[in-house]
Amino acid sequence: GQQLNQSPQSMFIQEGEDVSMNCTSSSIFNTWLWYKQDPGEGPVLLIALYKAGELTSNGRLTAQFGITRKDSFLNISASIPSDVGIYFCAGGGYSGGGADGLTFGKGTHLIIQP
Amino acid sequence: DGGITQSPKYLFRKEGQNVTLSCEQNLNHDAMYWYRQDPGQGLRLIYYSQIVNDFQKGDIAEGYSVSREKKESFPLTVTSAQKNPTAFYLCASSPQGYEQFFGPGTRLTVL
Repeated sequence: GQQLNQSPQSMFIQEGEDVSMNCTSSSIFNTWLWYKQDPGEGPVLLIALYKAGELTSNGRLTAQFGITRKDSFLNISASIPSDVGIYFCAGGGYSGGGADGLTFGKGTHLIIQP
Repeated sequence: DGGITQSPKYLFRKEGQNVTLSCEQNLNHDAMYWYRQDPGQGLRLIYYSQIVNDFQKGDIAEGYSVSREKKESFPLTVTSAQKNPTAFYLCASSPQGYEQFFGPGTRLTVL
């Protein structure tokens, strides 16, 4: 299957700091999605991006769909303790066709130090 | 109260036994999916279904089977042929397009 390279693998930050993570692929995707997963729970959809160059916000979260359609980034501003968790990027409808499921990155584990 | 439910939350199985994981949704979504998640890994697609009585293999379908007899239900059977079944299993559904909404997951442990 396709691979998404998500970085960083983990982040240790102070409360109040801004956070940035990204996802890259060798293939083109038609959709980029960002999810957050708490331990032992299912992922929750944060932001969906459908157009190259699109910049979308959801509260303190901002995500962008890269112009080349091969990458996306997620920013979190002024982090708070409840932001702790694992953030996954996911690509949909990659140019190679195939299954209609999403292709997921391996996740960025966000840890906030008080 | 619309949503996706998975049961049970925790499941234990002896080697050589088949086990079925339940996934139900009342969101009236056409498409449903099963993913497997291993520690430190992303989600990998097992099977998906875009319409009743039809389903397709994902990237890691070997050792698994599914059925889609009703729009609301998409059960996953982990068979004895699956060599390493211990994992966290996630079910998702989607109306159309690529936005998928996940259930709470089932953690399967083989003893």
